[in-house]
Amino acid sequence: NAGVTQTPKFQVLKTGQSMTLQCAQDMNHNSMYWYRQDPGMGLRLIYYSASEGTTDKGEVPNGYNVSRLNKREFSLRLESAAPSQTSVYFCASSVDGASDTQYFGPGTRLTVL
Amino acid sequence: SQKIEQNSEALNIQEGKTATLTCNYTNYSPAYLQWYRQDPGRGPVFLLLIRENEKEKRKERLKVTFDTTLKQSLFHITASQPADSATYLCAPRASGSARQLTFGSGTQLTVLP
Repeated sequence: NAGVTQTPKFQVLKTGQSMTLQCAQDMNHNSMYWYRQDPGMGLRLIYYSASEGTTDKGEVPNGYNVSRLNKREFSLRLESAAPSQTSVYFCASSVDGASDTQYFGPGTRLTVL
Repeated sequence: SQKIEQNSEALNIQEGKTATLTCNYTNYSPAYLQWYRQDPGRGPVFLLLIRENEKEKRKERLKVTFDTTLKQSLFHITASQPADSATYLCAPRASGSARQLTFGSGTQLTVLP
């Protein structure tokens, strides 16, 4: 039982390049989330998926797209990376319901030059 | 807008003492509040959840209080150990909202031997 896994762990992009961050969970959770974490800003929600086949915007969705590929996988795509997207990205999942505990992956550290 | 404030500075305490971390929130009424621990280079890990109708919750050396009048939660670690050194995040969630937690920026705790 690996929990929540993310790939890659580190990535350096040039401005304008695109990339996809991958996330998978093996806990049979219904809900999945993408956050970014910047110094002094805390975790901010980018997108979430309450269940397979649905996605919704969070607090900071601009510049990102997501795909809930199946119940296990939730990917985050940067179409045209900008230096402002330099951050640590975390994927999380939860069972479902109104008071879920969220389980986080190890994070992807992204630098955009 | 909703705002969450945690201890603005890092907190250093001596081993064996009780650490008390503060989480204040404004402009909303959380149905419950979660506390997470985050170690450097890792994703947050869930510790405790307390609901609006609960005054106090305990788990081993951890204790959380929730005062909806003061709009504040306190997180206590008794008999602290150097292994408790980490960043602690509070995450209130308003009732009726979609599956979104709002995270504070965290308090960095260092327990000195």
